[in-house]
Amino acid sequence: GENVEQHPSTLSVQEGDSAVIKCTYSDSASNYFPWYKQELGKRPQLIIDIRSNVGEKKDQRIAVTLNKTAKHFSLHITETQPEDSAVYFCFNKFYFGSGTKLNVKP
Amino acid sequence: EPEVTQTPSHQVTQMGQEVILRCVPISNHLYFYWYRQILGQKVEFLVSFYNNEISEKSEIFDDQFSVERPDGSNFTLKIRSTKLEDSAMYFCASRAGQGRTDTQYFGPGTRLTVL
Repeated sequence: GENVEQHPSTLSVQEGDSAVIKCTYSDSASNYFPWYKQELGKRPQLIIDIRSNVGEKKDQRIAVTLNKTAKHFSLHITETQPEDSAVYFCFNKFYFGSGTKLNVKP
Repeated sequence: EPEVTQTPSHQVTQMGQEVILRCVPISNHLYFYWYRQILGQKVEFLVSFYNNEISEKSEIFDDQFSVERPDGSNFTLKIRSTKLEDSAMYFCASRAGQGRTDTQYFGPGTRLTVL
């Protein structure tokens, strides 16, 4: 399958700090890059996505950046809150990254 | 807002038995998918389906698996002879396609337990 590598696997931050999660992909033809959030026992939920015609997209405290040359895209969460605690997955074509378990400590 | 639905929410079966997992994609969506997630692991792609045929499948999707769209609303995943290692959460997803959006929307999942 297509290679989607995600780092880190776990991330622990203090409430109010920022969190950054990175993914690299191998399919040069890809033009759509979503991020999903999955809470325990629930379905993956789309939180933000970006298309290859832009380099950055922001939605309140969440942003995604894309570097097509280097074939990587990143999720940025600012002013983290305890309810941001979940597993985050990047996604490319049909393949999910390995997931990042984010723990926001109050 | 329309959602993908799945039934049952939890299925318990004996090893070697056949199971059918059911999904109702979002109306007017054209692309359908099955994924599975073993407890504590990442979501893994199984198969994609478009225009009444499989368009892509992964190595996991072997001859034990099949998919069907028996009518205009349901999309099913059949596992012919379940194995212990088939125990997982199975997610269905659908996508509008036709250039409108690339976003896949996921159902709530069916937890399959094989004893």
